[in-house]
Amino acid sequence: DTEVTQTPKHLVMGMTNKKSLKCEQHMGHRAMYWYKQKAKKPPELMFVYSYEKLSINESVPSRFSPECPNSSLLNLHLHALQPEDSALYLCASSQNRGGYGYTFGSGTRLTVV
Amino acid sequence: GIQVEQSPPDLILQEGANSTLRCNFSDSVNNLQWFHQNPWGQLINLFYIPSGTKQNGRLSATTVATERYSLLYISSSQTPDSGVYFCAVEPGANNLFFGTGTRLTVIP
Repeated sequence: DTEVTQTPKHLVMGMTNKKSLKCEQHMGHRAMYWYKQKAKKPPELMFVYSYEKLSINESVPSRFSPECPNSSLLNLHLHALQPEDSALYLCASSQNRGGYGYTFGSGTRLTVV
Repeated sequence: GIQVEQSPPDLILQEGANSTLRCNFSDSVNNLQWFHQNPWGQLINLFYIPSGTKQNGRLSATTVATERYSLLYISSSQTPDSGVYFCAVEPGANNLFFGTGTRLTVIP
């Protein structure tokens, strides 16, 4: 299995809702990532998990809460989002050391209304 | 932080034409990848190429790490080649940063 699977593919949520994005990989990668991509912009790193521990948080607001329950799963919990948080959220995984390729999921397109 | 600049920002090609996309980066890197993002947002890995030259069908890539640039060549372009091409670099471990992107439109 050489894929990263993200669910759901599309999500519309109100500003008072709580929702979660899910990401799964079975390549034995021990580093997993969340990226955010706004329209016509490159993806921006949000969080990095290394061996199931949060190692990088790129100053992301607390309304985004990541979780890595095991080495294959990565969640992003969303609460009290703003319309400007509408974006494509991408999950990726890689070997837990520099110099290896990253594999990306197909993303969740989030709209906050 | 590391700067990753791509050129040109936009490119329009007639089907069958060749093109060269460039990626310049400001610091040494462990990893460099080229991705194609299709209209649905999927990032498709084209090459993992921290140095040297690779070819895959109509695509090839060259990275000159000592001079901090990489080139992506597309030959005989086709309409499905349209989309955004990103290079991404990893200056350390577990921190892949994306370039500014090149938006390619191939017209029949």
